[in-house]
Amino acid sequence: DAMVIQNPRYQVTQFGKPVTLSCSQTLNHNVMYWYQQKSSQAPKLLFHYYDKDFNNEADTPDNFQSRRPNTSFCFLDIRSPGLGDAAMYLCATSREGTGQETQYFGPGTRLLVL
Amino acid sequence: AQKITQTQPGMFVQEKEAVTLDCTYDTSDPSYGLFWYKQPSSGEMIFLIYQGSYDQQNATEGRYSLNFQKARKSANLVISASQLGDSAMYFCAMRGMNAGGTSYGKLTFGQGTILTVHP
Repeated sequence: DAMVIQNPRYQVTQFGKPVTLSCSQTLNHNVMYWYQQKSSQAPKLLFHYYDKDFNNEADTPDNFQSRRPNTSFCFLDIRSPGLGDAAMYLCATSREGTGQETQYFGPGTRLLVL
Repeated sequence: AQKITQTQPGMFVQEKEAVTLDCTYDTSDPSYGLFWYKQPSSGEMIFLIYQGSYDQQNATEGRYSLNFQKARKSANLVISASQLGDSAMYFCAMRGMNAGGTSYGKLTFGQGTILTVHP
């Protein structure tokens, strides 16, 4: 089945130790998004790739970076995780230019910072 | 700017009964799309249903229907015949649409409603 896959599902890291979260998709969608979601809150968009074009949200900290080496994969790098970065990280994809452009989400990665 | 308001932090419903989750929105875009997502405790955001602002009929998808009242700027989700597996957080969201009918801009989410289905 076509889908959005995130690995790992759970990630534990130490304060200040770089961590990378990965997302892959088999939907052949041209847009990939990264969201941060803290407990009992709505998802917050960090950035997205429209094809190879990177679009950062104005309030996304510099500590968060992203890479999209090809259509199928996108990575979220947290350079120096702080305790406040503990959250669920959701990857989503959409095919822009088709009308509805529904975003389809992966299962998420729960990040714990010790 | 777009804004989504979900006024019900939590809702309870008996199994097999219907429940309505409220969503109101505010936008200056002439056309837009409205979405509902379900998020179980596992964390995955599951797309449920979509309503375009110029769609003539209210959207339906199985047990889900969207009660769209454009003049009142509301897009309530109706779940019929509730099941225990419907217990989850539900988010209403919207995106603007340009004159060509394609979406633009980021998805704006409401704060969510936690639905609990009792046996």
